[in-house]
This record gives sequence, C-alpha cells and structure tokens, in this order.
Amino acid sequence: DQQVKQNSPSLSVQEGRISILNCDYTNSMFDYFLWYKKYPAEGPTFLISISSIKDKNEDGRFTVFLNKSAKHLSLHIVPSQPGDSAVYFCAARERDTGNQFYFGTGTSLTVIP
Amino acid sequence: GAGVSQSPSNKVTEKGKDVELRCDPISGHTALYWYRQSLGQGLEFLIYFQGNSAPDKSGLPSDRFSAERTGGSVSTLTIQRTQQEDSAVYLCASSLGWNREQYFGPGTRLTVT
Repeated sequence: DQQVKQNSPSLSVQEGRISILNCDYTNSMFDYFLWYKKYPAEGPTFLISISSIKDKNEDGRFTVFLNKSAKHLSLHIVPSQPGDSAVYFCAARERDTGNQFYFGTGTSLTVIP
Repeated sequence: GAGVSQSPSNKVTEKGKDVELRCDPISGHTALYWYRQSLGQGLEFLIYFQGNSAPDKSGLPSDRFSAERTGGSVSTLTIQRTQQEDSAVYLCASSLGWNREQYFGPGTRLTVT
C-alpha cells in the first residue's frame, strides 16, 4: 500500500522555467515531509523539508508547499537549471512512530538547455 | 567531511547464498537506516537503529533479513538464502537523530541470479 505517491514518473522543463513536482499522501498522521534529489549511481541527497505546522518553506531556488487538507505536497524549482536534472523523491514520516520514512516512487526531471 | 559509505558497490550472488552488505555512517550520527529500492519502486524502509535502543525491525520483509550495528557505528545487513526477488539497490542512511534529515550512501546493487 503506497502511502506516498508521485503520479508523474517524468517531467521535462526548459531551462529558466519553473519545475513543479507533485506528491500526494494518504496518511493524515504524517507530520514531516522531505524532498530528496538523486543522481544516477548515487544515493539520494536531502534537498528541503517542511513540518506540518507550516504550509511553505523556501531555500534559494527551491520552495516546498504543503496543503494538508488536500494531502498534497509540491516542490517548485525556479529557475530550473540543467544541473537540476535528476530523480526527485518525496518522503513523509508519521508523527507517532517517527522511525519510518515513507518514500514515493520518484519523478525524473529533465531540464532542457 | 566523509559521507556515508557502503560496500560493496555491486554484488552478484547465486540464489540460495548468503550476502553481507556494509554501511559506514557519518561519524557522530546516532541514527542509521537501511532501505531498499527495487526496479521502478520507491525506497522501502527495512530497519532503523537509534543509539543503544532496540532497533525498529518492522520493515524487514522476512526472517532471512537481519541487521546489526556494532559500537553504534558500522552496520551490516545480512540476507540469508538469497532469492531472486531480493535483487535491488540497498541504501543506507544516517542522521543526527530521528527528527533530522537523512544522509544516504551510494547504495549496494545486489543481483541474485
């Protein structure tokens, strides 16, 4: 049972434009959300996180938005750069258990120069 | 500083054989996680170690899987009597604590023939 879903397996964006990666979750007990970036043959790299007490968190070109009522998370990259081309995973943790992070299946972003 | 390292990077084994995968976490990180990623899937939580506490083994798929963490540092994931469905990339991550972002190693690609 996939509790964190990334329904778009791939996304292509022109350099300089905005990339929007989406993530949906089913568990209302999730209280902490993260985005990771993964290059081929490397482990995922932490990008940005957001707590459920917030609805937005910004770090440079990366902004994560959280819509708790819709159980929806999105990552905005502005402006997109060719080096952003990677697979992006969203992850969530349940408040009570805390140990286990649930990951989506990833979205492969290609930024076209 | 040094990141999370894993060895071997690739392992090919015959069905029925045992394998050991090693993870060296970042020095000072008290939390250590094992995940696996099968083809086309998201990261699947396997086990979590936090300091000297009993590990959270809730994600281990069968009793053929076990893990230990010696001295609160290096961890070994052991798969006994490997099956073809065990073929996946096994990722290790460490963090400063359960509430902190995880830093991943490059993974071990296991192929069971």
